[in-house]
Amino acid sequence: KAGVTQTPRYLIKTRGQQVTLSCSPISGHRSVSWYQQTPGQGLQFLFEYFSETQRNKGNFPGRFSGRQFSNSRSEMNVSTLELGDSALYLCASSWDKRSGEQYFGPGTRLTVT
Amino acid sequence: QQQVKQSPQSLIVQKGGISIINCAYENTAFDYFPWYQQFPGKGPALLIAIRPDVSEKKEGRFTISFNKSAKQFSLHIMDSQPGDSATYFCAASGMGGSQGNLIFGKGTKLSVKP
Repeated sequence: KAGVTQTPRYLIKTRGQQVTLSCSPISGHRSVSWYQQTPGQGLQFLFEYFSETQRNKGNFPGRFSGRQFSNSRSEMNVSTLELGDSALYLCASSWDKRSGEQYFGPGTRLTVT
Repeated sequence: QQQVKQSPQSLIVQKGGISIINCAYENTAFDYFPWYQQFPGKGPALLIAIRPDVSEKKEGRFTISFNKSAKQFSLHIMDSQPGDSATYFCAASGMGGSQGNLIFGKGTKLSVKP
């Protein structure tokens, strides 16, 4: 099976712009979670989608949003980018409610200038 | 209460030695504890995970020890190899991990010297 794929892998944006990142989960996985990784804060949970519904949300401002499509693919959007949004954004997918095993993609490296 | 504290921040081990990384948590609702390995430029890869109904789980050279009363768990890497040099993260979540919101430790950078 193919792993979790994320596009684009690298992105450079200017402060104030918005960005959309995409994630395709492992085939058959219905849960997609998003995380932000920075050197200072580490790995922080953004939100999780299951069957097109947001099931959990981390402590991030409303500028961060996401959605999931019927084929389980997910997108996250960050509006009005700030310098502090520069980070590696990771997507993880999991099989079902029981296993808890999350498999991460390679991430999208976002740089805000 | 949502934190997972991980130590040490960095670790240098000789080839063939044992690497030990420790984590502690406060939230007694946590019931799923995975460890992830991350190489530079890659996403974290699931190594091994444990639930609180067992005190130890072993997969190859990797072992998780779990102490429910102390709210601590640790990763042991036996016969450490240079290829194990990576950053290791412990994590925890409730609801058996089904809710997708893993709380991660800050990571341990492991260097295995040949």
